[in-house]
Amino acid sequence: ETGVTQTPRHLVMGMTNKKSLKCEQHLGHNAMYWYKQSAKKPLELMFVYSLEERVENNSVPSRFSPECPNSSHLFLHLHTLQPEDSALYLCASSQDVTHTGELFFGEGSRLTVL
Amino acid sequence: DAKTTQPTSMDCAEGRAANLPCNHSTISGNEYVYWYRQIHSQGPQYIIHGLKNNETNEMASLIITEDRKSSTLILPHATLRDTAVYYCIVRVGGGYNKLIFGAGTRLAVHP
Repeated sequence: ETGVTQTPRHLVMGMTNKKSLKCEQHLGHNAMYWYKQSAKKPLELMFVYSLEERVENNSVPSRFSPECPNSSHLFLHLHTLQPEDSALYLCASSQDVTHTGELFFGEGSRLTVL
Repeated sequence: DAKTTQPTSMDCAEGRAANLPCNHSTISGNEYVYWYRQIHSQGPQYIIHGLKNNETNEMASLIITEDRKSSTLILPHATLRDTAVYYCIVRVGGGYNKLIFGAGTRLAVHP
């Protein structure tokens, strides 16, 4: 139990569907992150949020739309995805965006796009 | 951030020390060395980090060479549950805390 909870753990969606991934952290952190891990590839940083403000968008396609309504919650809205978007999506948090300490990761949401 | 080089895979017998090397020959003076691991289908887990001095915690020890161009993560008594992919990451202190993961080392601990 890392203090970072992701839901759903598994999601199957068609290319025309709209779905959302949710992340909640119970650690009082001010920074949150989305990472993507495709099969046999390293983790890729997607977005970085600091106190609800997006500070990094790592050239992610617009079909992925993040939302951070407060420092404890982070969403990733998905629409018109492609099969190659199937991956494990990981959320993480840290004390703040410049802190040199650790990132706490959730268990991930495994997405399959049909 | 400096790049790191790690062996693709390693084996270790249960109960023995696992020594995982990492090369970061282009590291700058203000860059930290971090180690994370990822057990199959789970999120990465922080292990340890350091700047110049050797570090030890309840999970592992981190040995950084004097010139800081390489480091070794030591799991003193490996167990089967330590089987995972281990990532060595270098990042600048004070910048955005955005860890860039490489391919890591796949450690297999066998009985």
